[in-house]
Amino acid sequence: GAGVSQSPSNKVTEKGKDVELRCDPISGHTALYWYRQSLGQGLEFLIYFQGNSAPDKSGLPSDRFSAERTGGSVSTLTIQRTQQEDSAVYLCASSFLSSGREDTQYFGPGTRLTVL
Amino acid sequence: GNSVTQMEGPVTLSEEAFLTINCTYTATGYPSLFWYVQYPGEGLQLLLKATKADDKGSNKGFEATYRKETTSFHLEKGSVQVSDSAVYFCALGGSQGNLIFGKGTKLSVKP
Repeated sequence: GAGVSQSPSNKVTEKGKDVELRCDPISGHTALYWYRQSLGQGLEFLIYFQGNSAPDKSGLPSDRFSAERTGGSVSTLTIQRTQQEDSAVYLCASSFLSSGREDTQYFGPGTRLTVL
Repeated sequence: GNSVTQMEGPVTLSEEAFLTINCTYTATGYPSLFWYVQYPGEGLQLLLKATKADDKGSNKGFEATYRKETTSFHLEKGSVQVSDSAVYFCALGGSQGNLIFGKGTKLSVKP
């Protein structure tokens, strides 16, 4: 079946612009995760959704970052007023349940964001 | 807080050499432990996992044993191939079901 998909695959933007990144999880997966992969910070967890709810947003780097999920499926990560330090690969993953103990997370190919 | 420390790379080996990538963790409770792999140009994929102490995860000739007494989950393979060249990430399960990753170790295998 189809895996996790993300769009766009690459995004180049100017400093100060807003960007929206999209994630389509595997059908039927109730949990969805956003991570960021950058040279300096490695792989950082940003936020997770169980259904349409995000219980804890403290992993988001700043208030310029927001995320939503609708219909228990597609999620969007929005970065407002982008800064150069936002440049990274943004990864989305989904799993059938939210328990990290049993459930494998399947990752999408990522969106490479470059802020000029 | 929970964290993962893995050996820094890059690691360069000849084909058929023995591989060990060290991983230690700090955690409250007994989280699940994972190794993920990222092949060149591809996304992250699960290599193996272990959910409790003394469990051994294995896949594609790779093995790792969950050692509670040494808080370790070292990755081993007896005979590496060129196709194993990739970046390997050790991770533990966080309180929200998220993954907490190490910095990654790049492995290059030469023919």
